[in-house]
Amino acid sequence: SYVLTQPPSVSVAPGQTASISCGGSNIGSRSVHWYQQKPGQAPVLVVYEDSDRPSGIPERFSGSNSGNTATLTINRVEAGDEADYYCQVSDGSSDHWVFGGGTKLTVL
Amino acid sequence: QVQLVESGGGVVQPGRSPRLSCVASGFTVSRHAMHWVRQAPGKGLEWVAYVSYDGSKTYYADSVKGRFTISRDNSRNTLYLQMNSLRADDTAVYYCSAAAGFSSKFDYWGQGTLVTVSS
Repeated sequence: SYVLTQPPSVSVAPGQTASISCGGSNIGSRSVHWYQQKPGQAPVLVVYEDSDRPSGIPERFSGSNSGNTATLTINRVEAGDEADYYCQVSDGSSDHWVFGGGTKLTVL
Repeated sequence: QVQLVESGGGVVQPGRSPRLSCVASGFTVSRHAMHWVRQAPGKGLEWVAYVSYDGSKTYYADSVKGRFTISRDNSRNTLYLQMNSLRADDTAVYYCSAAAGFSSKFDYWGQGTLVTVSS
């Protein structure tokens, strides 16, 4: 089955840029979605189809996808961005939906 | 506004067969595929099951295939997860989620219901 690999943790100072990677075999050929989950809360979609943002999500959140790596980028990081972030794709060959292991973003 | 409200969780003995429910509102439920996603304590998200907008297609994660059954009643705007032969490693918060049309993303999420499998 298809596997997505994320770094367990990323740390960044307020006002700086955070980049969270999501690795997978030829992931650039798939649509990648990103979710933010704060403690005790349900996940929230922050980027879909590689680089689009749902309404209400700040422009500071952006995404890219090429080759074997997709990336979620958060510009001008704020304390409120501290959360777990998950990438996700669908695997048509197995009719499964797959999440990465998640990355904990710490704002220093 | 969009709401997904799960129920049916609690402490369950191994081998028992609870059923989770998820009542949806604030969107056209019959036009959305629905999923169950779970999260074990301190762990990441794990997709569990999918049902198409009309209930005609269902898919399952290998970890639950043959034990869990997903279904829906569009007349009641309700999604179900029948869980059989529960094991300790099924302990998790179970979220229902809706996906618009044929989208591969999870657009809407409920707040989840905790299922604890313990004797």
